[in-house]
This record gives sequence, structure tokens and C-alpha cells, in this order.
Amino acid sequence: SQKIEQNSEALNIQEGKTATLTCNYTNYSPAYLQWYRQDPGRGPVFLLLIRENEKEKRKERLKVTFDTTLKQSLFHITASQPADSATYLCALSRGEYGNKLVFGAGTILRVKS
Amino acid sequence: EPEVTQTPSHQVTQMGQEVILRCVPISNHLYFYWYRQILGQKVEFLVSFYNNEISEKSEIFDDQFSVERPDGSNFTLKIRSTKLEDSAMYFCASSTGTHGNQPQHFGDGTRLSIL
Repeated sequence: SQKIEQNSEALNIQEGKTATLTCNYTNYSPAYLQWYRQDPGRGPVFLLLIRENEKEKRKERLKVTFDTTLKQSLFHITASQPADSATYLCALSRGEYGNKLVFGAGTILRVKS
Repeated sequence: EPEVTQTPSHQVTQMGQEVILRCVPISNHLYFYWYRQILGQKVEFLVSFYNNEISEKSEIFDDQFSVERPDGSNFTLKIRSTKLEDSAMYFCASSTGTHGNQPQHFGDGTRLSIL
């Protein structure tokens, strides 16, 4: 069955450093991969989307890479700030009608000042 | 910025009772979704909806569940006879596209507690 794995442990980093979060998947062929941020008690908030034929996407301090050979996406936050502390979710879609997103369990990021 | 709104924020219901969760999607979006998240677990897809019919549904979305767009603005999820295991956060989402190439915009959810 399909499986999406994100860093199981929380990631603790110092303010100003780059945070790198990992999303690995098996038994799945996504056409699109999305990253969302979720704060406690809130709904997921969209951050970035990358297509299977794209290697890298950037938006301000965020960067996502997508390697369909390794079946892996990396999500980077540069110059991290305490306000970046949240749970980050990876979500995959086959690109079929219906647009079901399949989510990973998320990685908790804590940025300390 | 337009947002998806959900009501109520918290619903407490006795097991076996019917519950209706309400959502107002972003006004120019045409594709609507329900997801749920059991405490401490992943966000799970329930159903997608377009043009007044279900596009896709998961195994969780059995005969006890139904969705409806009763008017031009609301999108509802009904659970006919709630079970203890239906306790979860339920998220509504909407998007402009339906093939995974557009982001989904989520509401802040309804916390459903079944007693």
C-alpha cells in the first residue's frame, strides 16, 4: 500500500539557520506534491506546489525539491524564525479527477531564538 | 484574503445522533472537499465534490456519510448515526482546480466529539 513518510522526530533548530524537512514516498506515483503548514488547532495552509517534471521551486525563504527517482521531496526554510515553528505537511496527488490529497503525518519544526 | 469558514468550531453529540457540519467555501471556487484528522494522526481524505456530485470518496466515507451543496454558498457534511470513532477534527477545503495542480484552501475545522 502507498506510504508517505516525513521526519518522525521533531526538528529543533536555531533561529537564522536553514531547516530541511524530508518527505519520502513508496508505492505511489504523484503528479504533484504540495507542502502545507499546520498550526495547533488550525487547518493546513498551502505553501508550495511542485510538479513531477520540476526539480525545484522557490518562494521567498522557502524552497522545495522533488526527485521522482529517489521518491523524495525536500523542503527548506532559510533564515528560519521562531514564527516558522509549526507542523509541516507533505501532500501528494496523482493529478486525477477528484484531486484527492494524500498527506504525510507531518514534521514538527521548532525554531529557537 | 478570502477564506473557507466552518461552523460550528466544536460540536458535541451523543453516539447514534445525526450531525451536520457546515462550510462556506471561497466564493469563486468550484471544487470542494472534506478531510478529517483524528487527534495525533494524519489528515485523511473523505470526499471531493464538483458540479453537485461526488467526484471521489474514500473507504471512510461509507453510507453513514453524505455531502450536499444546498445553496450557492454552503457545503455540508452529514453523519447519520455517529459512532465514537467519528470523533475527530473535520476540515472543509476548496480549490479552483480538481487535478491536484491547484492548492486546496482549508478552513480551521470543526472539532467533533462523540460521547
